[in-house]
Amino acid sequence: QKEVEQDPGPLSVPEGAIVSLNCTYSNSAFQYFMWYRQYSRKGPELLMYTYSSGNKEDGRFTAQVDKSSKYISLFIRDSQPSDSATYLCAMSAGDYKLSFGAGTTVTVRA
Amino acid sequence: GAGVSQSPSNKVTEKGKDVELRCDPISGHTALYWYRQRLGQGLEFLIYFQGNSAPDKSGLPSDRFSAERTGESVSTLTIQRTQQEDSAVYLCASSLWTGRDTDTQYFGPGTRLTVL
Repeated sequence: QKEVEQDPGPLSVPEGAIVSLNCTYSNSAFQYFMWYRQYSRKGPELLMYTYSSGNKEDGRFTAQVDKSSKYISLFIRDSQPSDSATYLCAMSAGDYKLSFGAGTTVTVRA
Repeated sequence: GAGVSQSPSNKVTEKGKDVELRCDPISGHTALYWYRQRLGQGLEFLIYFQGNSAPDKSGLPSDRFSAERTGESVSTLTIQRTQQEDSAVYLCASSLWTGRDTDTQYFGPGTRLTVL
């Protein structure tokens, strides 16, 4: 079993819809949770960074962490075609080593 | 300022040849990381540098893989006697080192390696 599981999709939504992405994990030591966005042929860029459980909001993006269920989510409100990308979850126990999900490919249709 | 840069952006090589991949981190970032991203899979940690020393090489898949770093600057990942299973995107990232928490890693665009 992989340490971090993420449905690869693909996910296709109309412009303006809410995009819902999630990851599950098995390592209870994980405390830091990140979402990266990766455009085609580009490196991942950090979108959201959350410590421990709870919600964090940044503009149209909301990250949720439920450590009791070992489940994290990313919501994108009012999605735009420019949000079309692969979204990677990543997590760590507090050191430099990140464990990544496989990524979910999202397409927002105009 | 400038981000992490990597070269070449694409590399096609024949099985059995050696390749060198280069990473220029963000200026002032003491920590540098190499990852491998195979098609449809998550990023796989390869090696971590703190300055020019590599305290964690645990992710290097075999002794055909090696890496070095000059001071707090350029790093080179070398793959000897390449195999077809080495085909992947090799990503480099750099970060500050605060010694606490998990520092944000900034990624380069990657080198797409194809072994024929």
